[in-house]
Amino acid sequence: GAGVSQSPSNKVTEKGKDVELRCDPISGHTALYWYRQRLGQGLEFLIYFQGNSAPDKSGLPSDRFSAERTGESVSTLTIQRTQQEDSAVYLCASSSVYEKLFFGSGTQLSVL
Amino acid sequence: AQKVTQAQTEISVVEKEDVTLDCVYETRDTTYYLFWYKQPPSGELVFLIRRNSFDEQNEISGRYSWNFQKSTSSFNFTITASQVVDSAVYFCALKNYGQNFVFGPGTRLSVLP
Repeated sequence: GAGVSQSPSNKVTEKGKDVELRCDPISGHTALYWYRQRLGQGLEFLIYFQGNSAPDKSGLPSDRFSAERTGESVSTLTIQRTQQEDSAVYLCASSSVYEKLFFGSGTQLSVL
Repeated sequence: AQKVTQAQTEISVVEKEDVTLDCVYETRDTTYYLFWYKQPPSGELVFLIRRNSFDEQNEISGRYSWNFQKSTSSFNFTITASQVVDSAVYFCALKNYGQNFVFGPGTRLSVLP
């Protein structure tokens, strides 16, 4: 596709369950980012992948959060043992070096 | 350390008024890029502009204009003759080489009819 694709668009889960969020970046984009946006809040950086370099995981809020990316393709953000405070929109974005970020539409995660 | 500050949390204006959104950044690097993004109520983030640290020319695009001043580390955004469709949250962002994007907290702009 032409843009950044995220799935699912909505996810409702029960507290304590694990969830996986998927991001398909724009083909050829070497950089991929995950952000979290709580309702009415700004963008909270989670993790950044750049080519084959070690990812910048400095934004991950706890060890319940992890992310993987295979080469320059799909990325998966996993949240284990979800908590209610994990409820937010999770945004993925990709870019070429120094170029603008292209954002996906996000995954709305609701933890009951 | 990199940091972006948008001191205005919320702004309300009446349609046709001009409005300026402030952005102040901090970085030790000499090469960096600055961005503005718009997030309308629909939620999708829309790219507005990118400027590099070597180009201090002001830019105008229709009703939008940007004032980049390295001396004050500011990259302000002005909307002339605002319209209701301009209502959104606006984010300023900074990117240094090899590092991730740092976003400001955003400014919520409400344009009233």
